[in-house]
Amino acid sequence: GNSVTQMEGPVTLSEEAFLTINCTYTATGYPSLFWYVQYPGEGLQLLLKATKADDKGSNKGFEATYRKETTSFHLEKGSVQVSDSAVYFCALSDQAGTALIFGKGTTLSVSS
Amino acid sequence: EAGVAQSPRYKIIEKRQSVAFWCNPISGHATLYWYQQILGQGPKLLIQFQNNGVVDDSQLPKDRFSAERLKGVDSTLKIQPAKLEDSAVYLCASRLGGQGVYGYTFGSGTRLTVV
Repeated sequence: GNSVTQMEGPVTLSEEAFLTINCTYTATGYPSLFWYVQYPGEGLQLLLKATKADDKGSNKGFEATYRKETTSFHLEKGSVQVSDSAVYFCALSDQAGTALIFGKGTTLSVSS
Repeated sequence: EAGVAQSPRYKIIEKRQSVAFWCNPISGHATLYWYQQILGQGPKLLIQFQNNGVVDDSQLPKDRFSAERLKGVDSTLKIQPAKLEDSAVYLCASRLGGQGVYGYTFGSGTRLTVV
């Protein structure tokens, strides 16, 4: 079945450091891929998405590229801020539009 | 537009008691989902509705969990009797339709603690 694997956390960085959170997936066909963010005490928010191979999703300085050949959708940001501290979830939805399948989440903690 | 509303925000019950959660999706959203998020894990789908019909309930523990979406709008999720392992955040989400082009909107969730 479909699944998402993302790197274990927590990830601890200093402000302005470069961020990478790895995400790989298993799915048949061409799923849509998503990154969601959950700030402390808040609900899940869509950060970015990509719906086909080689698409790059971007938002708030975060980027992720849909790599079909490596079945990956790694999240990157060139310079993190303290306000980026949150839990990040990689997710997929297959071509039939089935419900989102989430990874386990990666906690990011940024210190000043 | 108003978001997905859930209540209560928090609930503490003893094991073997029953509990119910309520969700009001965004107006006009035909598809509604209930997810369970255990601490330290990603959300896991419990049930998906399309209007008032069930699309997928394969991961719903039907011996203790039930859900309904009368009239295709509001939805309730019930647990009876609760177990300690049911302690989690229960998230409701809605979409305009079921296809991939439509975005999901999540509610803030109900945090359940079973003691």
